[in-house]
Order: sequence, then structure tokens, then C-alpha cells
Amino acid sequence: GNSVTQMEGPVTLSEEAFLTINCTYTATGYPSLFWYVQYPGEGLQLLLKATKADDKGSNKGFEATYRKETTSFHLEKGSVQVSDSAVYFCALSLQTGANNLFFGTGTRLTVIP
Amino acid sequence: EAGVTQSPTHLIKTRGQQATLRCSPISGHTSVYWYQQALGLGLQFLLWYDEGEERNRGNFPPRFSGRQFPNYSSELNVNALELEDSALYLCASSPFSTRSYNEQFFGPGTRLTVL
Repeated sequence: GNSVTQMEGPVTLSEEAFLTINCTYTATGYPSLFWYVQYPGEGLQLLLKATKADDKGSNKGFEATYRKETTSFHLEKGSVQVSDSAVYFCALSLQTGANNLFFGTGTRLTVIP
Repeated sequence: EAGVTQSPTHLIKTRGQQATLRCSPISGHTSVYWYQQALGLGLQFLLWYDEGEERNRGNFPPRFSGRQFPNYSSELNVNALELEDSALYLCASSPFSTRSYNEQFFGPGTRLTVL
């Protein structure tokens, strides 16, 4: 089947710390991979995406690389800020025309000053 | 440009009743997706509509149904409500495409509580 496994949270970091949120996937074929973010009181927003192996998605200082050999798409940021506090969701979409997203369970990040 | 809108924001029903949730996509988007975000279960795909047709369905019972109108807005109906249907229901829209990297834009959700 198709599924996404995310690192369990919550994660609490001090400002300027390094962030890694692990994400691995199982999929039929070659999926596209996404990270979505949900800030407090807001809806889901696309943070970054990668559509093929070895692609690196990046946005707002966050990065993730599509690793086919390890079926992973780990999210990283070199120096987190308080404003990065949110819930982060890893997701995949199959390239079969069925465009729905398969989500991980989400990881809550809290950054403290 | 207006984003995806959903109504109502909150909905309280009792077991056995029916709930109707509404979604208006971004102008120009023809695809609408529904997801359920239940506590502890993450986001689960419910339904995908495009051009008025149901294109795909997640692993949910038939009492979860919906439709898409000619203006591309959509309704999600949940019949015979059960306590475990309590969740945040998210709607997303995108331009129709068979390309899987199509970004989906999400609305703020409807919080359904079943008592």
C-alpha cells in the first residue's frame, strides 16, 4: 500500500537549533513528495515539494531531498526561529492520475526563545 | 485572490443525524478534495471531485458522500453520524491535472463534533 511514516513528536527546540524531522514512505511507483505546514489557527500550506529522485525542495530555509534508495524525505532547517512553531506533515502523491495526498501523522514543533 | 473557503466553521450534531459541509475552491480550480483530520489518526483522504464527477474515494464507508456543483463548489455529506466522525474536515482545491505534483490549496476546515 501507500503510506508515510513520520517522526513522532512533539519536538521542542531552542531558537537557532538545527531541525530534522524524519519522513519515510512506501509507495507503488515513483511518488511526488511534499512537506505541508500548519501554523496555529491556520490551514495547511505547502512548504516544499520534490517530484523525482535526488530533487531537493527548499523554502523559507527548510530543505528536503528525495532519496529513492532509502525511501526518505527528511525535513531540515539549519537554524529554527520561534515563528517556525507549527505542525509539519510529510505527504506523497502518486503519479497515476489519482491525485489525492497520503499524509503522515504530523510532527508538532515548538521553538522556545 | 480568495483562498479556499469552508462553511460552517463549527458544526455540532448528535449521533444518527446527518451533517452537510460546504467548500468553495479557488477561482479557476476544478478539482476539490476532502480530507478528515481525526485526533490521533492524521489526515485521511476522503473524496476527490473534478468537473462534477467523483474521481477517487478513500477507505471510508458509503455514508460519507458528496457532490460537486457546476460552479465547482462541493458538499460533503455524512449520514448516520457516529461519535468517531468527530474531526476536522479539510477541503482542498487544485487545477485539474494528471500530474501528481499538483499543489493542493487547503481551506481552514470545518470542525464537526458528534455528541
